[in-house]
Amino acid sequence: QQQVKQSPQSLIVQKGGISIINCAYENTAFDYFPWYQQFPGKGPALLIAIRPDVSEKKEGRFTISFNKSAKQFSLHIMDSQPGDSATYFCAASNGNNDMRFGAGTRLTVKP
Amino acid sequence: DVKVTQSSRYLVKRTGEKVFLECVQDMDHENMFWYRQDPGLGLRLIYFSYDVKMKEKGDIPEGYSVSREKKERFSLILESASTNQTSMYLCASSFPLYSGRKNTQYFGPGTRLTVL
Repeated sequence: QQQVKQSPQSLIVQKGGISIINCAYENTAFDYFPWYQQFPGKGPALLIAIRPDVSEKKEGRFTISFNKSAKQFSLHIMDSQPGDSATYFCAASNGNNDMRFGAGTRLTVKP
Repeated sequence: DVKVTQSSRYLVKRTGEKVFLECVQDMDHENMFWYRQDPGLGLRLIYFSYDVKMKEKGDIPEGYSVSREKKERFSLILESASTNQTSMYLCASSFPLYSGRKNTQYFGPGTRLTVL
């Protein structure tokens, strides 16, 4: 079964809008939560990551919000641009060397 | 820049054939991973390796094997390809957690395998 549940499966946002993608996990041993961005024909690339000792991390237009008690975390893309159109994956790692990925969200930003 | 390369971008094979997918990284990473990516299922871990000649099963190892004879190279082998192995295969590498360095996984561009 999927250890990390991601929603929505697809998202369409107007240019300048806010894109929000949500993830939930069950395993309380997870302690590292990255988001990956994947453009067509490319492998995923790390976008931003958070550890559970903070509730929010911001890098430019990208923000991760983390709710440890609810076991949820989300990616917010402010001022979304057509160049942000890609597939986004959340992931979680529990201190071992492997990582569990969500199913992915295909984001389309309309000009 | 970290570079992870995969031997083929596209591959077409027939049912029953033995298939080799090669991955090479140039960052001296100890960890290497093989995933398959399918729509609606995300990335699922097939195998990973944390050292030369070491391997661990991931979530979906059935029908696959791996080989790591050199630190920079990790091979995925489909012993007898089947149509349900048609997928995008992604290789990744990272430093181990205990190294004190970021264990970000760096991905190759993927190999789209079609089994007829």
